[in-house]
Amino acid sequence: EPEVTQTPSHQVTQMGQEVILRCVPISNHLYFYWYRQILGQKVEFLVSFYNNEISEKSEIFDDQFSVERPDGSNFTLKIRSTKLEDSAMYFCASTLTGVNTEAFFGQGTRLTVV
Amino acid sequence: AQTVTQSQPEMSVQEAETVTLSCTYDTSESDYYLFWYKQPPSRQMILVIRQEAYKQQNATENRFSVNFQKAAKSFSLKISDSQLGDAAMYFCAYRSARGQGNLIFGKGTKLSVKP
Repeated sequence: EPEVTQTPSHQVTQMGQEVILRCVPISNHLYFYWYRQILGQKVEFLVSFYNNEISEKSEIFDDQFSVERPDGSNFTLKIRSTKLEDSAMYFCASTLTGVNTEAFFGQGTRLTVV
Repeated sequence: AQTVTQSQPEMSVQEAETVTLSCTYDTSESDYYLFWYKQPPSRQMILVIRQEAYKQQNATENRFSVNFQKAAKSFSLKISDSQLGDAAMYFCAYRSARGQGNLIFGKGTKLSVKP
């Protein structure tokens, strides 16, 4: 069964450092998403990506964040200068056609900023 | 803006019994989708069931069913014959029929299943 894979599963970084979280969406999917879940809180939408550009982003997704699909398979989330409050689980998801198809989620990357 | 509210932070059910998880939402849109996702300790979000707002019939997937009340903006999940493997966080989520398919989640309900 096709699945969304995320690496690494856990990353620890120093405050102020740049991190890149990686995702490989399901190969024939066209829409890609990043979500964030701070420990004990709800899952929050960060950004959606379609046709090699950001299609929608939340107010959380500020200038510190960027996304990229560098090689047609990977989908990355970069945080330029991490803050303590960026510590969270980050989930990647993909859908085949957007609104009317199921979102498949990866297993998440736990980011710990120290 | 749309919001999703889950008023039960924690629920508990005896194995083989039935439990209902509540969810309400707020939207001005008429066309949308609603979902229940399960998040076990492994943390991966797994789709349990989905409901299209234009469908009057409540969705059912094996032991899982929903009670969709569009006028009341209510979308509860019923789990019948609860199993130990059902223990997890359950998130209710909303998706507009417009836009790019992003999901708006509630805060979740932690379900415990007692043997």
